[in-house]
Amino acid sequence: EIVMTQSPATLSVSPGERATVSCRASRSVSHDLAWYQQKPGQAPRLLIYGASTRATDTPARFSGSGSGTEFTLTVSSLQSEDFAVYYCQQYHDWPPRITFGQGTRLDIK
Amino acid sequence: EVQLVESGGTLVQPGGSLRLSCAASRFPFYNYWMTWVRQAPGKGPEWVAHINPDGSESYYVDSVKGRFTVSRDNAKNSLYLQMNSLRIEDTAVYYCARASRATIATMGVWGRGTTVIVSS
Repeated sequence: EIVMTQSPATLSVSPGERATVSCRASRSVSHDLAWYQQKPGQAPRLLIYGASTRATDTPARFSGSGSGTEFTLTVSSLQSEDFAVYYCQQYHDWPPRITFGQGTRLDIK
Repeated sequence: EVQLVESGGTLVQPGGSLRLSCAASRFPFYNYWMTWVRQAPGKGPEWVAHINPDGSESYYVDSVKGRFTVSRDNAKNSLYLQMNSLRIEDTAVYYCARASRATIATMGVWGRGTTVIVSS
């Protein structure tokens, strides 16, 4: 099973600043990597797939990069609605296996 | 608006059974892979089961193989998860999710979830 490890567990950032979340795969997943955002009491929402392609309705301030085992989600200028938990998900092993990271909480500083 | 609505979650004793349902609307349900994903309190999501558009293929995470069965009724736009021999560690919010249009291995539409609590 491919294990996804995110860092940091919690990130405190001020509105308007830049935030960077990292995700590492235990072995190469090529570009088969997605990012989700989850707010309290809500389901996850797909933000990015293919490591760097924004999903429909994902604001341009969200960007993804990386390949192989190292990936990054960057929010260029944090808005109040961006404070949430972010998960990476690999789908290189699909079908059937997909695995998620343990999450990074983005808090207001 | 595309919608998924789960139901059936409740408190159940260890060893018990439960059937979750997911009602889909406003998209061609019969065209999409569907997935059940669960999330235990304070944890990341975990995929549970996938099923292909016509229901002929299904896949399960190892921890539920032999206990859970995913099925669908395309005439009723509905997805199901039959859960048997439930364990305490199955406690979670269970989400029904539709494959995204871009990649069938990512989930582009999610329901709001239904809570399953396994406890004596």
